[in-house]
Amino acid sequence: EPEVTQTPSHQVTQMGQEVILRCVPISNHLYFYWYRQILGQKVEFLVSFYNNEISEKSEIFDDQFSVERPDGSNFTLKIRSTKLEDSAMYFCASSVGGGVNSPLHFGNGTRLTVT
Amino acid sequence: GNSVTQMEGPVTLSEEAFLTINCTYTATGYPSLFWYVQYPGEGLQLLLKATKADDKGSNKGFEATYRKETTSFHLEKGSVQVSDSAVYFCALTGNSNYQLIWGAGTKLIIKP
Repeated sequence: EPEVTQTPSHQVTQMGQEVILRCVPISNHLYFYWYRQILGQKVEFLVSFYNNEISEKSEIFDDQFSVERPDGSNFTLKIRSTKLEDSAMYFCASSVGGGVNSPLHFGNGTRLTVT
Repeated sequence: GNSVTQMEGPVTLSEEAFLTINCTYTATGYPSLFWYVQYPGEGLQLLLKATKADDKGSNKGFEATYRKETTSFHLEKGSVQVSDSAVYFCALTGNSNYQLIWGAGTKLIIKP
């Protein structure tokens, strides 16, 4: 069964550095998402992406975050200048459509540790 | 805004026991409701969903009924197995179908 893949599984970076988290969504999916889960807290929506542009974003997704689909297969989340509080598990997801009958398929996540 | 409250874990049961994980929500409008499961070392997988009041979602022996009158979506299974050990998340659609609002997750431990 096709799946969403995320790399790396664990990323350690120093505060102030830029990081890029990578995701390969399922090939026929059109909608892409990033969520994050800070340790011990709830999963939080960051952003959704469709047709090469952001569909929605949360308050968390400020100017230090950006997303890109640089080619036909990858979907990336960039954090421009990382802060300690960016340490979290970041989940990428994709879906065929944007409605509730198109379930989100999640990757295994990238654990980002900012030191 | 919409929010989800689910019972704290861990929940520890013996194999073949009956499972209930409570989930209640607050929402404006008519959200869709979901249960996701995260097995150790894996991503979040959709377990079941319900898109309108009185709908029952079911999968792999798990069931949950969308109760608008009690704003609940409790997860149940009649006889759990060791392989059901995982973290279970209740979620609902937020301001749009793009967003999911998540509960804190309930860790389930099944002992043989």
